[in-house]
Amino acid sequence: DAGVIQSPRHEVTEMGQEVTLRCKPISGHDYLFWYRQTMMRGLELLIYFNNNVPIDDSGMPEDRFSAKMPNASFSTLKIQPSEPRDSAVYFCASSFLDSSYEQFFGPGTRLTVL
Amino acid sequence: GQSLEQPSEVTAVEGAIVQINCTYQTSGFYGLSWYQQHDGGAPTFLSYNALDGLEETGRFSSFLSRSDSYGYLLLQELQMKDSASYFCGRGNNNDMRFGAGTRLTVKP
Repeated sequence: DAGVIQSPRHEVTEMGQEVTLRCKPISGHDYLFWYRQTMMRGLELLIYFNNNVPIDDSGMPEDRFSAKMPNASFSTLKIQPSEPRDSAVYFCASSFLDSSYEQFFGPGTRLTVL
Repeated sequence: GQSLEQPSEVTAVEGAIVQINCTYQTSGFYGLSWYQQHDGGAPTFLSYNALDGLEETGRFSSFLSRSDSYGYLLLQELQMKDSASYFCGRGNNNDMRFGAGTRLTVKP
């Protein structure tokens, strides 16, 4: 397996634009997690899915953020409209049902909002 | 915050032993994980403790005391490549909340 795949790896956009981050989890994993990492706030859990169903989105900062998982092999995190304070590295991770403590992270998307 | 506390920085010399501590809030606690992250890279899983005691994996060991809401990661025979950030993560049933991370610098 190629591991968790994220795209794009880097994204530079202007304030007010829509941003869509993509993730393909490891095949067979039951959970998918979206994290945001900044120097100030560390590694924050935004939302996670179990078998494509969102379980907890309490970490989503505000209504500008939304996430979907239309099938077991694909998820998106959308920011609309984007703001400079959204600049961060966004990680997607996946895990098996009975070992969610061992998460496999993708390489991340470095987002810069100008 | 993420309800976990760990030191922000630790420095040690090559070949030495270093211990990175982590304290956590007990509400909904299932277990404690440790992850390593090199600069520019993604976090990678190191170890997990659900029960009290020591778990050993090569040069790395992790310890948990549920009664003290405390755990640590022990790195032995430090190598330059161990320079990285180390995160403790509190398992809450099915999700994970991470501490702010400890930046370990290994010097020759």
